[in-house]
This record gives sequence, C-alpha cells and structure tokens, in this order.
Amino acid sequence: GENVEQHPSTLSVQEGDSAVIKCTYSDSASNYFPWYKQELGKGPQLIIDIRSNVGEKKDQRIAVTLNKTAKHFSLHITETQPEDSAVYFCAASIGGGAAGNKLTFGGGTRVLVKP
Amino acid sequence: DARVTQTPRHKVTEMGQEVTMRCQPILGHNTVFWYRQTMMQGLELLAYFRNRAPLDDSGMPKDRFSAEMPDATLATLKIQPSEPRDSAVYFCASGLPLTGRSSSSYNEQFFGPGTRLTVL
Repeated sequence: GENVEQHPSTLSVQEGDSAVIKCTYSDSASNYFPWYKQELGKGPQLIIDIRSNVGEKKDQRIAVTLNKTAKHFSLHITETQPEDSAVYFCAASIGGGAAGNKLTFGGGTRVLVKP
Repeated sequence: DARVTQTPRHKVTEMGQEVTMRCQPILGHNTVFWYRQTMMQGLELLAYFRNRAPLDDSGMPKDRFSAEMPDATLATLKIQPSEPRDSAVYFCASGLPLTGRSSSSYNEQFFGPGTRLTVL
C-alpha cells in the first residue's frame, strides 16, 4: 500500500520567514495530494491540494509543488504569521475505483511561528 | 455553514464498557470516513463508506470495532469491549467525489471536531 513520509516533524520559524514542509510517497499511481492544517483541539482542515496533472499551485501565501518523477511534494508558506502555528499533514490518494479516494497521511509537522 | 458534527466530544469510560461515537456528515456528501489519531500512530483510517455501503474497513480491529451508517445522515463507530489502548481522538470526515477530466475522481474530505476517548 501507499506510504507517505513527511519532514520535518517540527519546524520553528520567525514571523515573516518562510516555512517549507516536504513529503515523499511510494505509490506512483497516487494522483491527488492534499495538505491539511490542524489547530489545537480541532479536526484537520484542507488548505490546499494538487492533482497529478499540475506541477505547482498557489493560493495567497501558501503554495504546493509536485515532482511526480521523484515522487515528492512540498508545502511552502511565505510571510508566516502566528496564526500559521499548527500541525500540518500531507496526504496522497489514488483517485477512482473502489479502492480510490482513500487518503494516506504523513506523520505531521508541528509548525511554530515565533513573533 | 455546513460542517461535520460529532458526538460526544469527550468520553471517559472504564475498560470493558461499550462506546458509541456518532457522526453527522455534511448534507449531500456521500462518502464518510472514520479516523483515529494518536501521538504514536498519527492519523489512521479505520473505515469508510460510500452511499452508506462499507468500502474498506481493513484498518479496524474487527473483533471489537464496528462501523455502520443506519441512514445517510448518521454514521456510528462502536467499540465493544473498550480497552485502554483504544484511547485516542476519533475523527469522522465526509466528502463528495469530484470528477476531473478523466474518469478518475478525487475526494476532498471535511473533518469533524473529533471525539476524545479515554478508556481507564
């Protein structure tokens, strides 16, 4: 089955700096890669996703890049703010079919933005 | 705004007792997922349903866990008997497959607030 590795497990940045989280996946058939943000005491919330026919996607201060050949994808947060402090999860999924739509999550990255 | 609801939010019980967790998916969503989150294992998929039919429950210990969807507005996860190692946060998520250009579909998942279970 799919295996998703996520690094680093913790990340501390100064407010205004950039944060980068990297994930690798094992199954070359995976074609959907969402990123979730989990704040304390809450469920994960989708913040951005990318599909395999796209190499990069941006939404305001967050961007995701995908390298299908190398089987890795990354989350970039620019101009970090204290409210960006949370745990971030990457995930991978194979779309379609009875086995599709099941997300395999990475281990999570705890991001702390210091004011 | 539409959101997934879960009850109870917190549950403390003694080993051996039955625990039932409930989830109301977002109206119109036809796929429901149950996850367990622990510090050691992270987010693990226990089971998921599409149109109320179970698609995959391979992540769930079958001897004590059961998941059902009595109707489209209610999903339940039951543990009987509960054990201390079941202590975790249990999340329900719902989704609606999105169709891309090909026949493949993608599922965006919306998570509930979770049920924090403590088994003493």
